[in-house]
Amino acid sequence: DTGVSQDPRHKITKRGQNVTFRCDPISEHNRLYWYRQTLGQGPEFLTYFQNEAQLEKSRLLSDRFSAERPKGSFSTLEIQRTEQGDSAMYLCASSLLGGKLFFGSGTQLSVL
Amino acid sequence: GESVGLHLPTLSVQEGDNSIINCAYSNSASDYFIWYKQESGKGPQFIIDIRSNMDKRQGQRVTVLLNKTVKHLSLQIAATQPGDSAVYFCAESGSGNTPLVFGKGTRLSVIA
Repeated sequence: DTGVSQDPRHKITKRGQNVTFRCDPISEHNRLYWYRQTLGQGPEFLTYFQNEAQLEKSRLLSDRFSAERPKGSFSTLEIQRTEQGDSAMYLCASSLLGGKLFFGSGTQLSVL
Repeated sequence: GESVGLHLPTLSVQEGDNSIINCAYSNSASDYFIWYKQESGKGPQFIIDIRSNMDKRQGQRVTVLLNKTVKHLSLQIAATQPGDSAVYFCAESGSGNTPLVFGKGTRLSVIA
């Protein structure tokens, strides 16, 4: 399968802990996006990269959220000092410039 | 601000009937529109897209209609099948290269 891969699929953590999610995009895609989705809502844009450059990060929900794409391939999304309100599905997508987004299956985060 | 929304949160149709899912958008500068299907526990899956220089585009069993005058988008599914049951999202982008903004979604239920 050469689609977008996300790891882990599920993460349960205690409030105050840090979590990190990984996304491996489709190999030839130069753009990588992170979205968050809560129950009954559409995906909410967080940040995106073109190659290793982070082009937009003002939509990250707080300074506890950060993302990296160090070599322009895989990306990580980190949430520090997690809160119960961070519980959601975190989706990664990739695309070619101007192309349609292909999504992974997401990481479901539960903060207890 | 920019927003994309849907007129109906739920839609039930008989198997074999045609389905129409509607979407309104508010950003008149949007020039790229896309429909995604999302099944439970999965990421959004691309269905069909359309650019603002078109008013209709057809795929396999699906048609997207764009009315820029009233800023309305619709997805038509012909001969709806049980496998079409899912949540459908429309999304828009300002230039085709900016991140997609998603609406809340419509849940389609197909009655056998």
